[in-house]
Amino acid sequence: ETGVTQTPRHLVMGMTNKKSLKCEQHLGHNAMYWYKQSAKKPLELMFVYSLEERVENNSVPSRFSPECPNSSHLFLHLHTLQPEDSALYLCASSHGTSGSAGELFFGEGSRLTVL
Amino acid sequence: AQSVAQPEDQVNVAEGNPLTVKCTYSVSGNPYLFWYVQYPNRGLQFLLKYITGDNLVKGSYGFEAEFNKSQTSFHLKKPSALVSDSALYFCAVRDLNTGFQKLVFGTGTRLLVSP
Repeated sequence: ETGVTQTPRHLVMGMTNKKSLKCEQHLGHNAMYWYKQSAKKPLELMFVYSLEERVENNSVPSRFSPECPNSSHLFLHLHTLQPEDSALYLCASSHGTSGSAGELFFGEGSRLTVL
Repeated sequence: AQSVAQPEDQVNVAEGNPLTVKCTYSVSGNPYLFWYVQYPNRGLQFLLKYITGDNLVKGSYGFEAEFNKSQTSFHLKKPSALVSDSALYFCAVRDLNTGFQKLVFGTGTRLLVSP
């Protein structure tokens, strides 16, 4: 069992659909992240939750809505997406204390295609 | 703002030869630097990190990286490349202005190791 699990691994949706991506971490971490990876672009940090509280939202369109019900689970709710939102969405977790320099642990990603 | 630059989109090397993947950084204060690897259709995997101490950092799969403060570089190296090392490599720096593990990633360098 990997430390960070993402489902589904692949998702195809129309622009009018509503779907959700799920992430679960089994590492006892207290911070979770959503990154977007598009071809030929740097990884974009979308959302950060620390101790279940959203601490950063990098000007992400409202058609992406995160939810963190507890420290082990993170969701990304999707609605009315655009074709340019097609990308690999990566979830990560870490020990979120300011004094540490621990690494991020990533899931395998959810490949999203918007038709 | 903290940033890293990976000047090469792709690096080609023959199996058995040494490899270097370049990374330069721009930070205020002491840098926390990371290397990650991404295999096809997978998430990012942590390779190694530099926080403080020895300038030569050893990591997973026989990789190492050399921190050079005067050149603001953190190049990834391996003495003898394997075909299985072919992947996408990301350099990252910790953004110290946040209370969590916010990493700023480079654009990635694709490593191709030929048999």
